[in-house]
Amino acid sequence: NAGVTQTPKFRILKIGQSMTLQCAQDMNHNYMYWYRQDPGMGLKLIYYSVGAGITDKGEVPNGYNVSRSTTEDFPLRLELAAPSQTSVYFCASSPRAGGGTNTGELFFGEGSRLTVL
Amino acid sequence: AQSVTQPDIHITVSEGASLELRCNYSYGATPYLFWYVQSPGQGLQLLLKYFSGDTLVQGIKGFEAEFKRSQSSFNLRKPSVHWSDAAEYFCAVGASGSARQLTFGSGTQLTVLP
Repeated sequence: NAGVTQTPKFRILKIGQSMTLQCAQDMNHNYMYWYRQDPGMGLKLIYYSVGAGITDKGEVPNGYNVSRSTTEDFPLRLELAAPSQTSVYFCASSPRAGGGTNTGELFFGEGSRLTVL
Repeated sequence: AQSVTQPDIHITVSEGASLELRCNYSYGATPYLFWYVQSPGQGLQLLLKYFSGDTLVQGIKGFEAEFKRSQSSFNLRKPSVHWSDAAEYFCAVGASGSARQLTFGSGTQLTVLP
């Protein structure tokens, strides 16, 4: 019953460094998402994927990249980290509903807290 | 564009008291509506959802919500709050068939006094 697993849970980066946040789900969900959560701002969608090999931009994609080579994994890459990327990052997945639609029920990981100094 | 407003940033109630968290949305068609709860240091968990049909929906942990189309609202209620309900609550609106169109409100932090 692992669900959605994110690593690392905490990370401190220096400006200009790069890193990858890992996300894996074992529920065979088609849809996967990356959100960032900033205080008082709710969650903002960074990137999402509707299946292996298919990704698309969300609301705030600048400074990030993703890939989806398998159904299970959806890593988020930060290139040239900036202080504005200090945030808590959540990975989520969602099953496909009947008719190929999205049920809208997201299953979240526990989050990765990133600080860029 | 769709949007969600949670007017109350922080609410404090006493244990055993009733609770209502407000959510107003803007959406061009019949929305899919959700309430999620986030405990400290955790990810979000679905409390309940409305897709269609009965406008009063029941969720987990004794929560319910009522969809009122005329008021564009989807308020969350609980008759008697428990100390373990202290958390942050997020309302979200989405569209069927679109993975990217789930928009979250900014959240309401609930504090429960003993």
